[in-house]
Order: sequence, then C-alpha cells, then structure tokens
Amino acid sequence: NAGVTQTPKFRVLKTGQSMTLLCAQDMNHEYMYWYRQDPGMGLRLIHYSVGEGTTAKGEVPDGYNVSRLKKQNFLLGLESAAPSQTSVYFCASSYSGDYGYTFGSGTRLTVV
Amino acid sequence: QQQVKQSPQSLIVQKGGISIINCAYENTAFDYFPWYQQFPGKGPALLIAIRPDVSEKKEGRFTISFNKSAKQFSLHIMDSQPGDSATYFCAASLPGANNLFFGTGTRLTVIP
Repeated sequence: NAGVTQTPKFRVLKTGQSMTLLCAQDMNHEYMYWYRQDPGMGLRLIHYSVGEGTTAKGEVPDGYNVSRLKKQNFLLGLESAAPSQTSVYFCASSYSGDYGYTFGSGTRLTVV
Repeated sequence: QQQVKQSPQSLIVQKGGISIINCAYENTAFDYFPWYQQFPGKGPALLIAIRPDVSEKKEGRFTISFNKSAKQFSLHIMDSQPGDSATYFCAASLPGANNLFFGTGTRLTVIP
C-alpha cells in the first residue's frame, strides 16, 4: 500500500527550463492537491482537483499548470522555471475536501 | 493574508514536559481543525483533528483544546518524548471546502 507517491524526489533546473512533477495515489481518492512549502510560510495550495478531468486554482497558481487525466494521477507542470519557484512541493490526496489528507514525501526543486 | 496564525515558531521542551502549540483564526465559518506532524524529509501526516462542536479531543498523549469564542485552538503534547521532535502544522477548512488553510508551522525539539 504505497499511498501517495511523488517523482522525482530532487531536481535542479535552470531558469527558463520546464518540468513536470508526477503524483500518483492508490487509495481511490477523489481529491488531489499540490502544495508548496517554504520556510516560515507553511504550506500554500497551488492547484487542486476534485475528480478526474477537473482542476482548479489555489492560493498561488501563477507559473504552474496541472492536469488530472486519470483519477490516480495529478501532474504539476512548470513551463518556464524561475528562482522564486525553488521550494519543496507536496502532493496530497483525500476522500473529501475537509477530511484527512495523505501527503507524499515531497519533491525538492531548486531553480538556478 | 494568513488565514490561520500559529505560534510559537519554535519550541524546546524537556523530555516528560508538556508541549503547547497555539493557533488562532478569524473566519468563524471554519468547521474542521486538523493538526499535522512532519518529520524531516517526509510529508505532513494527520495527527489529530477536531470539529467546533466539542471543546476538547484527546488521542493518547495528544490533545486538541478548542475555544470557539476566542477563535483559538491548541495542541497539547503530554509527556513529550524525543521522538515527538518534528514540525507541527495546524490547519482549518470551511464547510464543503476543497482545501485546507495551514498555519506556518512550529518546530518542536524535545531534549532528553
């Protein structure tokens, strides 16, 4: 029972490069989320999805895009990376919006 | 604007002591208040949660105290152990909402 799996775990990008972070969950959860974690700022919601084929903006969506083509997967894309996007990214899933979230172990992204 | 304000930013407690972390909120419509525990290199994990219809919830050594009139809630860790050393996040959500608002986190260190 893997829970929520994020790949990759670490990545270094140059400014302007693009990349996709993959999140996969095996709990049949409807809701999936992408958060970023920065020192002193807690966890901030980037985008979320309430079901297959749906996505919505969170608190800090600029510079990111997402897709949820399959229920178990939620992809986060950076089209043109900027140093301000250096952060730890966490994916989470839940049965419902106000129920307990299950988080992945994170992706540490550095943009130079 | 931080929806949930958490304090202190860091906390050092002796083994066997009581750790207390506080959170305050302004939006009286919040109806779900979870606490998450995060160890270094890991994603946050749900620790305990409360709804505003009760003033206290206890699970083992962990207790949430909820003060609806003061719009505050706190996490108490009794008989704190070195293994409790982690970062703790409080959070809140609205009824039917699709996301959690997180506090900025408290780094707890329990010294032997």
